This record gives sequence, structure tokens and C-alpha cells, in this order.
Amino acid sequence: DADVTQTPRNRITKTGKRIMLECSQTKGHDRMYWYRQDPGLGLQLIYYSFDVKDINKGEISDGYSVSRQAQAKFSLSLESAIPNQTALYFCATSGNGRARDEQFFGPGTRLTVL
Amino acid sequence: AQTVTQSQPEMSVQEAETVTLSCTYDTSESDYYLFWYKQPPSRQMILVIRQEAYKQQNATENRFSVNFQKAAKSFSLKISDSQLGDAAMYFCAYGQGGSEKLVFGKGTKLTVNP
Repeated sequence: DADVTQTPRNRITKTGKRIMLECSQTKGHDRMYWYRQDPGLGLQLIYYSFDVKDINKGEISDGYSVSRQAQAKFSLSLESAIPNQTALYFCATSGNGRARDEQFFGPGTRLTVL
Repeated sequence: AQTVTQSQPEMSVQEAETVTLSCTYDTSESDYYLFWYKQPPSRQMILVIRQEAYKQQNATENRFSVNFQKAAKSFSLKISDSQLGDAAMYFCAYGQGGSEKLVFGKGTKLTVNP
């Protein structure tokens, strides 16, 4: 079984709808991250969480919110989706969160906002 | 702010030959780490190789090696004996010591020709 899972894998929605993307991990890591990938732009950090009570904004947090329901679960919400939020979204985890530590990525969620 | 630049949007190589992917970064810090991630068509982000800035020796992982030029702020990836399974997007990433965040380049798409 995958260590980092994301649901759904693909989602098509309409402008103005509320969308939640979910991430679960079985690695026992404290640190979790949400990234957005656009063609030609690499990955950009949306939010990250050190633990259940510690959530931080990344580079592009506007229009997004997150919830850390448990150590193993980190959800990303789009309160009112807009077309330019069409992208590939990745969840990642790391053990200590130190720069030297590998981040383990989920399989990604492809979101299309019409 | 730290930046990562991958100047080659696309590269191609013949099977069994060697290819080098370029990456440069900009930082004024001395404690940092550099990574190459591979993203095959399956979308999964996979760590290929990691380099600590304080280490002079270039990292190697089987057919993958890096040429780390700290003064030039260059971190290229060499893939030897290229295989069809190496075809993917490759992302260079920078992590600063004491930080939890990675900064990614825009990626290089590698095609392996049979």
C-alpha cells in the first residue's frame, strides 16, 4: 500500500464550488505539505503543517485553506473554486522537516475548474 | 529569496548514452541541501539524489551522479547508461538548513530514444 495517498485522483468541478482534497499518510511523519504544480512552473508550496496545532502559509496560500485533522491527515480546501486553480495538487510528508530530509509525495490530484 | 533555475525545458538522449541536466541556484546561505526529483508519467514524485552543501564529494546513486560546483552555484545531474524508464520530468530543488520548505525549479523533460 502507498505510504501517502490522495483522494480524489482526478476531479472536475465548476466555478464557485467548494472542493476538498484529502491526504493521508502511514509514514508516521509529523510534517505535511500541500503543493501546486502548473505546467512550466514546477511545484509551489501552498501550506505546510508541523503538527496538528501548527499550520503555516506557503508561497501561494490565497484562495486555499487547510485542516490537519490528525497526524496522518491533511486536507486542502478551495472555498470557491476558480478556473486558474486548475492544476495538479500534491501532498507530501517528511520526518523531521529539516532541509536535508526527503519529502515523500502522494500520487497527486488533478483538479479542473470549469 | 532563494531561486532555482533549470535552463533546459527539454532534453533527449539515446538509450545507453549519457545525459546531463543543468541546475543553478541562488542563495546567500551556507547551510543548504540540493535534490533531484523525478516525475514519470505516473505523476509520482520520486527522490533521485541528494547533496549536502557542506560535502565536497559529489553524490552518486547507481547510474545517477551530480556535479556540485558550490562556488558557481551549479548542481547538474548526470544519468549514465540511460534507460527507457528514465524518461520523465526532472526537478531540481533547494532546501535551506533550518527550513521546512523546498524551492523547486521549473523542470526538464527528458526523452529517452530507443
